Amino acid sequence: AQSVAQPEDQVNVAEGNPLTVKCTYSVSGNPYLFWYVQYPNRGLQFLLKYITGDNLVKGSYGFEAEFNKSQTSFHLKKPSALVSDSALYFCAVRDRGSARQLTFGSGTQLTVLP
Amino acid sequence: EAQVTQNPRYLITVTGKKLTVTCSQNMNHEYMSWYRQDPGLGLRQIYYSMNVEVTDKGDVPEGYKVSRKEKRNFPLILESPSPNQTSLYFCASRMTGNTGELFFGEGSRLTVL
Repeated sequence: AQSVAQPEDQVNVAEGNPLTVKCTYSVSGNPYLFWYVQYPNRGLQFLLKYITGDNLVKGSYGFEAEFNKSQTSFHLKKPSALVSDSALYFCAVRDRGSARQLTFGSGTQLTVLP
Repeated sequence: EAQVTQNPRYLITVTGKKLTVTCSQNMNHEYMSWYRQDPGLGLRQIYYSMNVEVTDKGDVPEGYKVSRKEKRNFPLILESPSPNQTSLYFCASRMTGNTGELFFGEGSRLTVL
């Protein structure tokens, strides 16, 4: 079985401050991990992914995420938040050794306050 | 421009009236999928297709049908819609393989009265 948890429904951060959006996962084997962002009235857009190799993954718009196998986490981070980063963020996981498709988290609404 | 196009974007219908939501992609992707998005539940997969004439159930397939007669098109059919199918629907596509990212359409908001 595979699952993903985003423990915070809502994250508020002041513009210019660092932001973190949390994600933990559960898979039987090794994971493929993804982050997507959804702006209002739009479809989801790919931000970054972890497949293998370096645990720190850099993606679009200055975002990065760190794969931590021991803590089964893949938290999304950005050093300095922008008001335009305000959106709904989804973490997703797939077990490499499984035929199961991608499983999405419930989403975290990020609000960056000016 | 590479894109996934869904139609209609918004639809209000009544219980039992058959409807089809179309999805088309211009990236020559083998894999296509339908999701529904509901508050607090994230995205849940309805059906997916690994290639033409190959479709499989996702996590919530009940009440839906799909077909994949052409590579670019993957329509979602609700034969007899019910109010619990009121949701925001997304079509997505990607290249073959397990590591590629999904490209999403803009979404179709369906209300069943």
